[in-house]
Amino acid sequence: QQQVKQSPQSLIVQKGGIPIINCAYENTAFDYFPWYQQFPGKGPALLIAIRPDVSEKKEGRFTISFNKSAKQFSLHIMDSQPGDSATYFCAAQRNTDKLIFGTGTRLQVFP
Amino acid sequence: EPEVTQTPSHQVTQMGQEVILRCVPISNHLYFYWYRQILGQKVEFLVSFYNNEISEKSEIFDDQFSVERPDGSNFTLKIRSTKLEDSAMYFCASRDSLLNQPQHFGDGTRLSIL
Repeated sequence: QQQVKQSPQSLIVQKGGIPIINCAYENTAFDYFPWYQQFPGKGPALLIAIRPDVSEKKEGRFTISFNKSAKQFSLHIMDSQPGDSATYFCAAQRNTDKLIFGTGTRLQVFP
Repeated sequence: EPEVTQTPSHQVTQMGQEVILRCVPISNHLYFYWYRQILGQKVEFLVSFYNNEISEKSEIFDDQFSVERPDGSNFTLKIRSTKLEDSAMYFCASRDSLLNQPQHFGDGTRLSIL
């Protein structure tokens, strides 16, 4: 019940494409859902986050869609750029507890 | 922008030796965490720390592991007798006390056990 399932494992798109990464969770006590971006040799960096009372959140080219009834959420990257090539992790958290991370999606954006 | 800093960036140690990984969390944060990431895998929770005591620990965080906040700024993870399987990236994170606030991560310490 503590797992967060993430797919796909890897994604290759051309510049300007819209990669979509999906996550699903079981524990309805989770109340905060962040997405982290990680470049090689670096720590996870917060990209965007959402609470379950909101169905969509946009920050720049990044959008989270949240479906509370289905217990699913997804990250869309609009007009993707080669600089977006990184590993993306979804996560879930309850209150001030630990983050439960998904398994990660390696995104490659080709020019 | 304030950030979490970790030292050293890379630590190479012989199996059975003790290691101490150091972290300086963001100054007004009150919750502290250690995570680890084995190469190519997901980030796994080790331990959380609040008000000078452990809040929660995972199954990975056995008796060989300990954490300490020796002063007002540092937060350390000690592994008493390292094993080969302890080789991983270790990340420190911190967050403030407000609800629905993100955890901020350092760039990690790569621990290599020989």
